[in-house]
Amino acid sequence: DQQVKQNSPSLSVQEGRISILNCDYTNSMFDYFLWYKKYPAEGPTFLISISSIKDKNEDGRFTVFLNKSAKHLSLHIVPSQPGDSAVYFCAASISRIGSGNTGKLIFGQGTTLQVKP
Amino acid sequence: KAGVTQTPRYLIKTRGQQVTLSCSPISGHRSVSWYQQTPGQGLQFLFEYFSETQRNKGNFPGRFSGRQFSNSRSEMNVSTLELGDSALYLCASASQGDGGYTFGSGTRLTVV
Repeated sequence: DQQVKQNSPSLSVQEGRISILNCDYTNSMFDYFLWYKKYPAEGPTFLISISSIKDKNEDGRFTVFLNKSAKHLSLHIVPSQPGDSAVYFCAASISRIGSGNTGKLIFGQGTTLQVKP
Repeated sequence: KAGVTQTPRYLIKTRGQQVTLSCSPISGHRSVSWYQQTPGQGLQFLFEYFSETQRNKGNFPGRFSGRQFSNSRSEMNVSTLELGDSALYLCASASQGDGGYTFGSGTRLTVV
């Protein structure tokens, strides 16, 4: 039962252009969503998060959009840089991370982003 | 500040053996979670500890267990190792109100 899905295993974009990574979820109880970036042989690095009470959160070149009715979120990277090449995971939680609740993260399968110079 | 430290980085074990992995969270972080990453299943939640109590457990057999100490350091143990347990085991910590979990670099376990 894949509750969080990233349907595109890979994405290739040109340096300077926009990268859009997509994620769909099925559990309507999810109320907190995160994006992580992962290089080989390293742990995931937290990028950006969004609460279900918002539809957009921005942090520098990274913007996450949430469409609750469609159970869809996306990560936009503008402009894309070669150093952004990595595997990107979206994750969802029923509670805010680190709160008095469980903070269990459900991850998607990941999308490998390649940014070409 | 120091990140999440996992030891050892690499481990090779034989089927049937048991293994213990260690995780030191970021200072002040009381929540520690463990995840298993495999090529076929992706990142899967094992369990989470908060103030020495297991708050949630993923869908793994009882051979997988963990604990957290009073200094928030955590260990996970896998008994009777199977070939399918070969994976990258990731530990992550968080404090109240953090934006997300901070992950360690993981322990690469190979069962032969």
